[in-house]
Amino acid sequence: DQQVKQNSPSLSVQEGRISILNCDYTNSMFDYFLWYKKYPAEGPTFLISISSIKDKNEDGRFTVFLNKSAKHLSLHIVPSQPGDSAVYFCAASANTPLVFGKGTRLSVIA
Amino acid sequence: KAGVTQTPRYLIKTRGQQVTLSCSPISGHRSVSWYQQTPGQGLQFLFEYFSETQRNKGNFPGRFSGRQFSNSRSEMNVSTLELGDSALYLCASSSWTGSYEQYFGPGTRLTVT
Repeated sequence: DQQVKQNSPSLSVQEGRISILNCDYTNSMFDYFLWYKKYPAEGPTFLISISSIKDKNEDGRFTVFLNKSAKHLSLHIVPSQPGDSAVYFCAASANTPLVFGKGTRLSVIA
Repeated sequence: KAGVTQTPRYLIKTRGQQVTLSCSPISGHRSVSWYQQTPGQGLQFLFEYFSETQRNKGNFPGRFSGRQFSNSRSEMNVSTLELGDSALYLCASSSWTGSYEQYFGPGTRLTVT
């Protein structure tokens, strides 16, 4: 049973537009959520996180929104740049080892 | 500060063999976690070591084992390899156990034939 789901395996966005990556979770005990970015032949790198006591966290071009009632979070990238092309993983924790989604491949087209 | 290093980067083994992968964490980091990434799957947690003790273990068979040395370097071992063990094995280090901020190495790509 997958506790963290990223239902879109891939997403294509034009450079300069907004990229929205979605993540759903089933475990209501999760209280911390993270996004990681992964380029080919490299390990994932931490991007941004959010605690369950917040509903929004911003860091430059990246914003994560959390909707606890819907058990849904999203990552917004504005504006999208070609260098953002990568696989993005959503992860969650309930003071436990991180549980990852399967990832969404974002392609930003120039 | 040097990042997390993993050796070897690529490995080809035959079914039934065993393999040992190595991970050197960021200097000063005492927690090392291992993950398996297979095509179409997310990262699946294998185990975490902190101060040479296994702190958490994922849902993997006993063929998967690990250890951590006093210098925080860690190894994972897979015995009696199966075709389904072909994956990217990622190591992540963090300052302390339970830290959400994990720094990943580039991974070891294991192919079992």
